[in-house]
Amino acid sequence: GDSVTQMEGPVTLSEEAFLTINCTYTATGYPSLFWYVQYPGEGLQLLLKATKADDKGSNKGFEATYRKETTSFHLEKGSVQVSDSAVYFCALSEASGGSYIPTFGRGTSLIVHP
Amino acid sequence: DAGITQSPRHKVTETGTPVTLRCHQTENHRYMYWYRQDPGHGLRLIHYSYGVKDTDKGEVSDGYSVSRSKTEDFLLTLESATSSQTSVYFCAISPPQGSGYTFGSGTRLTVV
Repeated sequence: GDSVTQMEGPVTLSEEAFLTINCTYTATGYPSLFWYVQYPGEGLQLLLKATKADDKGSNKGFEATYRKETTSFHLEKGSVQVSDSAVYFCALSEASGGSYIPTFGRGTSLIVHP
Repeated sequence: DAGITQSPRHKVTETGTPVTLRCHQTENHRYMYWYRQDPGHGLRLIHYSYGVKDTDKGEVSDGYSVSRSKTEDFLLTLESATSSQTSVYFCAISPPQGSGYTFGSGTRLTVV
């Protein structure tokens, strides 16, 4: 079945550092890929998405490129802020029997220090 | 999130009692999902619905049942709550193409 593997956290960075959170996936077809962010005490919010190979999703300075050849969708940001501290989830979605059931990674906690 | 609300936000209940959590949406989306979130496990799918009265099991459905009598409401019932069901429960909705999922703010359930 489908699966998503994320790097284990927490990832601890200083403000203005470069961020990479790795995500690789296993899927039978051609999934859509997503990154979600969860702030403390809240639900998950869609951060960005990509629906086909070589697409780049971007939002709020974050970006990720759909790499079919390496089955990866790594999240990057050039300069993190304290306000980026949160848990980040990689996810995929593809059709299965007419339904789209998302598969989530276990999440990576990001802590940004001033 | 706008368009999806969960109730209650917090609940403490005793072992062996039935508990019902409610998810309400105003987006008219076909798909609705219930997840639980636990440390070290990420998000695990409990049940989902692909239409009124159409539901199916997820990976951790034992001890849970769901009902969807209207497009806007998806109820999750713990038949007889156990301490292992202490968790944070999230509802999510999506359009049919799976183009993105909107999550509620969660219900923190404690079974004592």
